Amino acid sequence: DAGVTQSPTHLIKTRGQHVTLRCSPISGHKSVSWYQQVLGQGPQFIFQYYEKEERGRGNFPDRFSARQFPNYSSELNVNALLLGDSALYLCASSSGSSGNTIYFGEGSWLTVV
Amino acid sequence: QKEVEQDPGPLSVPEGAIVSLNCTYSNSAFQYFMWYRQYSRKGPELLMYTYSSGNKEDGRFTAQVDKSSKYISLFIRDSQPSDSATYLCGIDSGYSTLTFGKGTMLLVSP
Repeated sequence: DAGVTQSPTHLIKTRGQHVTLRCSPISGHKSVSWYQQVLGQGPQFIFQYYEKEERGRGNFPDRFSARQFPNYSSELNVNALLLGDSALYLCASSSGSSGNTIYFGEGSWLTVV
Repeated sequence: QKEVEQDPGPLSVPEGAIVSLNCTYSNSAFQYFMWYRQYSRKGPELLMYTYSSGNKEDGRFTAQVDKSSKYISLFIRDSQPSDSATYLCGIDSGYSTLTFGKGTMLLVSP
């Protein structure tokens, strides 16, 4: 079975541009979460979606948005990119039930120049 | 005070040593405890999952939770150079969202 898949794996953007990152969860998982991991830090929670509804949001500006599609895949969008948005963006997949294990993809490395 | 505290290391040990990695947390609502291993420039890989106080063993790995002290540990027996990675503790309050520590970098030398 495929794990959590993310695309693209690496990308370079210019300040002010927009970026879209994509994620496909593990088959059967209905919850997708997004995390940002800057160098030397642990992942920080951005969004959680379950059954296409936003179920949680971390402390990130409105430039960050996401959505989940009927097939449970998800997109993370970031507008007006700043240099500080350079990070590894991780997608996590779970069944969505309380206490279930959470699995991560390999991430999308975003560099803003 | 951060919700999850973890010594960033690096922790350097010789091959074959027993490694102890630790996290403390402040939120009593935290219920589910996960340990992830992250190799350089890769996504976190789930190693252990526990939800109650006590020990859970899986091969060379043992996860320990003490809810009364808000303290969790991961022990690695017979450490190998391939164990060299960053170890993240991730704690879930029950909504399938994780709060992480900074991660501890472990270096196992042959």
